[in-house]
Amino acid sequence: TAGITQAPTSQILAAGRSMTLRCTQDMRHNAMYWYRQDLGLGLRLIHYSNTAGTTGKGEVPDGYSVSRANTDDFPLTLASAVPSQTSVYFCAAGSGHTDTQYFGPGTRLTVL
Amino acid sequence: GESVGLHLPTLSVQGGDNSIINCAYSNSASDYFIWYKQESGKGPQFIIDIRSNMDKRQGQRVTVLLNKTVKHLSLQIAATQPGDSAVYFCAENSGGSNYKLTFGKGTLLTVNP
Repeated sequence: TAGITQAPTSQILAAGRSMTLRCTQDMRHNAMYWYRQDLGLGLRLIHYSNTAGTTGKGEVPDGYSVSRANTDDFPLTLASAVPSQTSVYFCAAGSGHTDTQYFGPGTRLTVL
Repeated sequence: GESVGLHLPTLSVQGGDNSIINCAYSNSASDYFIWYKQESGKGPQFIIDIRSNMDKRQGQRVTVLLNKTVKHLSLQIAATQPGDSAVYFCAENSGGSNYKLTFGKGTLLTVNP
């Protein structure tokens, strides 16, 4: 079973360039999330979407944007990457009923 | 043990021993808690959850205990195996309609063969 897939697995990006991290789920969960994970800081929420067509800001939204055109896809876009956005990015999906969130394998992004 | 907001602690055990990983949470309104396991280079993996109307829940080789009086959560792993080596962290949901979780920073469990 696929669950949640993320692409690419890793990426090196020049500062100032734009990039979209892709996330797709096949579990039909209503809610989806984007986190970044940095050493010593744990998982921090960037943006979330409770249902298709709606999005919200998390703890660290600056420099990132998201869209939720349908239930399955939740892309994260960096319009103009900066070195501080070097991190591991995780997408997650959750069922509102149980509140459990299931995570994808992550994208390791390095901004130079 | 860990607390939401502190540095990553470590726990080293011998294979076959039981492990106990602790987590302190701060929001007394939290009504749902989850334990995740994260192996190196992988995404967090759901282990077990518990709601605030329970104080104990058992899974396969794992037990979660919840003490709401002191806002403490623990994960017990029975007969710890080398494959259990990973970072374990707790998450709490303070409720509401946004289904947002607050994550602890984790405890690194190392199992010696």
